[in-house]
Amino acid sequence: DIQMTQSPSSLSASVGDTVTITCRASQTIETYLNWYQQEPGKAPKLLIYAASSLQDGVPSRFSGSGSETDFTLTIASLQSEDFATYYCQQSYSTPFTFGPGTRVDIK
Amino acid sequence: EVQLLESGGGLVQPGGSLRLSCAASGFAFSSSAMGWVRQAPGKGLEWISSVNTRGETKHYADSVKGRFTISRDNSKNTLYLQMNSLRAEDTASYYCAKDSIFGMDLWGRGTTVTVSS
Repeated sequence: DIQMTQSPSSLSASVGDTVTITCRASQTIETYLNWYQQEPGKAPKLLIYAASSLQDGVPSRFSGSGSETDFTLTIASLQSEDFATYYCQQSYSTPFTFGPGTRVDIK
Repeated sequence: EVQLLESGGGLVQPGGSLRLSCAASGFAFSSSAMGWVRQAPGKGLEWISSVNTRGETKHYADSVKGRFTISRDNSKNTLYLQMNSLRAEDTASYYCAKDSIFGMDLWGRGTTVTVSS
């Protein structure tokens, strides 16, 4: 099975900051990498698919990059509604494993 | 409205069984692969199963293989998860989602399963 790791596990930031979250796969997954946002008590929401494609309706301040084993989610000009937990997920091969998550808190 | 609505969660004793349902509406269910993801209290997301459009190809996480069965009824626009031999560690919120290699782009609100005596 492909293992996914994320760093950091949590971070504190202020509104207006730019935030970067890293995700690493234990083997190459090409660009079969997705990013999700989950607010407390809510279902996850797809933000980015295929490493860098923005899901319909997601603000353009979210962007993704990377390929093979190393990926990045960047949130530019952080807004109050962006304080949440972010998960990466590989969809290269089953089981479609998730990373452990990165919690973004208000500083 | 495009939505997924899970049901069937509840309290069950260890070793017991439960069947979750996920009713789909507003999109072409029969043309969509589907999956289940769970989240234990205070923990991260765990992908547990997926099924292709016709219900012929199924995949499972090792943690549920042999105990859980995914299925679908395209005539009813409904996805199922039969859970047998339940354990305390299966306690979680269970989400159904429209699945593909390009991510899970539609999620239900989830249903809670508690395994306890």
